[in-house]
Amino acid sequence: SAVISQKPSRDICQRGTSLTIQCQVDSQVTMMFWYRQQPGQSLTLIATANQGSEATYESGFVIDKFPISRPNLTFSTLTVSNMSPEDSSIYLCSAIRDRGSDTQYFGPGTRLTVL
Amino acid sequence: SQQGEEDPQALSIQEGENATMNCSYKTSINNLQWYRQNSGRGLVHLILIRSNEREKHSGRLRVTLDTSKKSSSLLITASRAADTASYFCATDAGKAAGNKLTFGGGTRVLVKP
Repeated sequence: SAVISQKPSRDICQRGTSLTIQCQVDSQVTMMFWYRQQPGQSLTLIATANQGSEATYESGFVIDKFPISRPNLTFSTLTVSNMSPEDSSIYLCSAIRDRGSDTQYFGPGTRLTVL
Repeated sequence: SQQGEEDPQALSIQEGENATMNCSYKTSINNLQWYRQNSGRGLVHLILIRSNEREKHSGRLRVTLDTSKKSSSLLITASRAADTASYFCATDAGKAAGNKLTFGGGTRVLVKP
């Protein structure tokens, strides 16, 4: 299994500010993703983090609001920009190792509360 | 958008009993994965079952997949209080579709001691 860490684990932020979440994987992986889980809901994919190029966003998510970086094979960041209370969610990163398995492992999540 | 539906939405059982939850999906898949989430924390991967598999076991977990009905089930046998969690199924349409997971709504399981 892949060991995935995220920082911060939780934060409380003011409306209008931005927060950058970091995701670190313990070994090289091929695919990395960012998901959002709104309170009491299931997970929704925000984007696929592509190494060295722009992320691929899902419908309803845009780069200006959720800029994503992936400078190498083991690290990615997600920024939640110009936050509003509606952005209060758990944000999770995930990764796949391409060794004949499509198993997708998740980090512990970042719980964000926007006041 | 969510592809899958899970039922029941919530399940309450006594310790020692079995828990069964079902997942239905709408489009073709490469594999289906089950996860557990404790109290809004990260997801723990339980089992991956491929589209050409019908059943898989892991410890007290048994997963079935019926691609003709586009459905899967997760059975937890001899449940324990520590099994209390939310369980999610997620479908993966494969590399051509970017290995993106589409999640079901989840089943909240309460195991009473």
